[in-house]
Amino acid sequence: AQTVTQSQPEMSVQEAETVTLSCTYDTSESDYYLFWYKQPPSRQMILVIRQEAYKQQNATENRFSVNFQKAAKSFSLKISDSQLGDAAMYFCAYIWYGGSQGNLIFGKGTKLSVKP
Amino acid sequence: EAQVTQNPRYLITVTGKKLTVTCSQNMNHEYMSWYRQDPGLGLRQIYYSMNVEVTDKGDVPEGYKVSRKEKRNFPLILESPSPNQTSLYFCASSPGVSQNIQYFGAGTRLSVL
Repeated sequence: AQTVTQSQPEMSVQEAETVTLSCTYDTSESDYYLFWYKQPPSRQMILVIRQEAYKQQNATENRFSVNFQKAAKSFSLKISDSQLGDAAMYFCAYIWYGGSQGNLIFGKGTKLSVKP
Repeated sequence: EAQVTQNPRYLITVTGKKLTVTCSQNMNHEYMSWYRQDPGLGLRQIYYSMNVEVTDKGDVPEGYKVSRKEKRNFPLILESPSPNQTSLYFCASSPGVSQNIQYFGAGTRLSVL
């Protein structure tokens, strides 16, 4: 069974600094997608970044980038120049490309606090 | 504006009183899904639908029903709610099953007393 593990329940970063959130996953599949979702206090689930497993190049979206290590099954999120609005719960998620159920497998989340 | 709309956003009910949480998307997506979010557990899939009249169980389907009579709507039905169904519920939609990004509704906070 596929699993996603986020080992850091809570993290804290100073405004304008850089923080890295960790995520590891377990799967026997080779074709899949990985995601980071942000959940602010409004509870909305907002897609931050997506990585296709077949792509070696790490995805980037403005201040957000990932370090995707397929062999190690690791998918960390780096937030640069942290802003107060980055404070939220962050979820790592996995989906198998060939699956028929289409369910995202989520980690338990990391709560990020940003200090002014 | 492309969106997934859930109603109600908040609901407090009592054990055994049937309720329906509605979900509607305006993106002509074929795939829709329901998740529940519980503290320390992340999100888990309840039911999903590949297209109209095609639904199937997710990972935690017990105590829930769904229907997909129209492409845009995918209501979640709790026939006899129990306190262990107190949770935050999300509806999501996607153009296809696995290859596409899932777009989430704003969530429904349900409390069953």
